[in-house]
Amino acid sequence: AQKVTQAQTEISVVEKEDVTLDCVYETRDTTYYLFWYKQPPSGELVFLIRRNSFDEQNEISGRYSWNFQKSTSSFNFTITASQVVDSAVYFCALSEAYGGATNKLIFGTGTLLAVQP
Amino acid sequence: DAGVIQSPRHEVTEMGQEVTLRCKPISGHDYLFWYRQTMMRGLELLIYFNNNVPIDDSGMPEDRFSAKMPNASFSTLKIQPSEPRDSAVYFCASRFASGITDTQYFGPGTRLTVL
Repeated sequence: AQKVTQAQTEISVVEKEDVTLDCVYETRDTTYYLFWYKQPPSGELVFLIRRNSFDEQNEISGRYSWNFQKSTSSFNFTITASQVVDSAVYFCALSEAYGGATNKLIFGTGTLLAVQP
Repeated sequence: DAGVIQSPRHEVTEMGQEVTLRCKPISGHDYLFWYRQTMMRGLELLIYFNNNVPIDDSGMPEDRFSAKMPNASFSTLKIQPSEPRDSAVYFCASRFASGITDTQYFGPGTRLTVL
């Protein structure tokens, strides 16, 4: 069965610190997709990144970077030089691909990141 | 481009009343999803449509919940009668299944409170 585990419930850091949010997933499929979404205090869900299971190349986007390791079934998210605006709940999600379409998103329980000034 | 639009943003109602939540997906997207977010259960998929046809409603909690998509630009999620345990944030999401950008984009959500 599919499962996404975000073991860190809450993380508190001081501005400019680096922080890594952990995500571990379970799936029996060989083709799947992994996502990160951000939910700021305003409540909306903002898409951050999508990664295919056959692409293990790490990705960097500004202060954000993602480390995908199939060997450990992990898809971790690092924020470098954190800022107060990064304060939010971050969700990792998984979907299995069949018929070329991603359908059901299975979400982790989320990690609340609080960045203190 | 406009994102997914949901209305109302907040809804407060009394137990037993009918509640209708509305969603307008991103133009051109052919998949539409309804999710519910609660503290106890997190984010869970309720139902999704492809080309206006319901594909999987296995997440709908019970018969009090129903969803329709009469056309490509509009969907409703109805709860009748509502109960306090239905209090949650309901999200609508849409996606264009191109195989390249098949990412779900979420609306701002509707916060439902049933008294």
